Amino acid sequence: AQSVTQLDSQVPVFEEAPVELRCNYSSSVSVYLFWYVQYPNQGLQLLLKYLSGSTLVKGINGFEAEFNKSQTSFHLRKPSVHISDTAEYFCAVSKAAGNKLTFGGGTRVLVKP
Amino acid sequence: EAGVAQSPRYKIIEKRQSVAFWCNPISGHATLYWYQQILGQGPKLLIQFQNNGVVDDSQLPKDRFSAERLKGVDSTLKIQPAKLEDSAVYLCASSPPGTAPGELFFGEGSRLTVL
Repeated sequence: AQSVTQLDSQVPVFEEAPVELRCNYSSSVSVYLFWYVQYPNQGLQLLLKYLSGSTLVKGINGFEAEFNKSQTSFHLRKPSVHISDTAEYFCAVSKAAGNKLTFGGGTRVLVKP
Repeated sequence: EAGVAQSPRYKIIEKRQSVAFWCNPISGHATLYWYQQILGQGPKLLIQFQNNGVVDDSQLPKDRFSAERLKGVDSTLKIQPAKLEDSAVYLCASSPPGTAPGELFFGEGSRLTVL
């Protein structure tokens, strides 16, 4: 079975500063990797995904993530955050040959002015 | 296009009472999921439907939870009787045919408080 660990439960950051959210996964088979964002009182929204190919993937709202197979990581980054990026971010994994999505515990990002 | 619709948004009940949540997925989405999100945790899959058949219900507490998807469209998740630990947000999601596993469209959720 696969599992996902998000190493930081909360990340405070000042507006226009960079942010990195860490995600590590474990799986014995090939996986697809995802980052979802949940704004206050809203459902989850897909931010970006890694299925295959280039290990650097770009998503919506200026976010990007890099898949590192040797370190089993999929860290999310944004070079300059906005107040509107305040939200909870979830890393998730599914087997490439399966269809079950497993989420990490989430990282709450609070952007301060 | 209209998103995944869920109701009610909020529900407060006493323990041992019953509750039902409704979900209407995006039109044309064959796969429907129910997730449970306990405060401070990531969502956990309860049940997955493909059209009106169950694909995965391995984490559904079947002694108290039930779900159905009649006619392969709307779905209902029921809890009877509720326990304190069932307090959570219940998220419904759907996905269209041909998408990669994990590409889901979520509703806003139904927040359940059990007192």
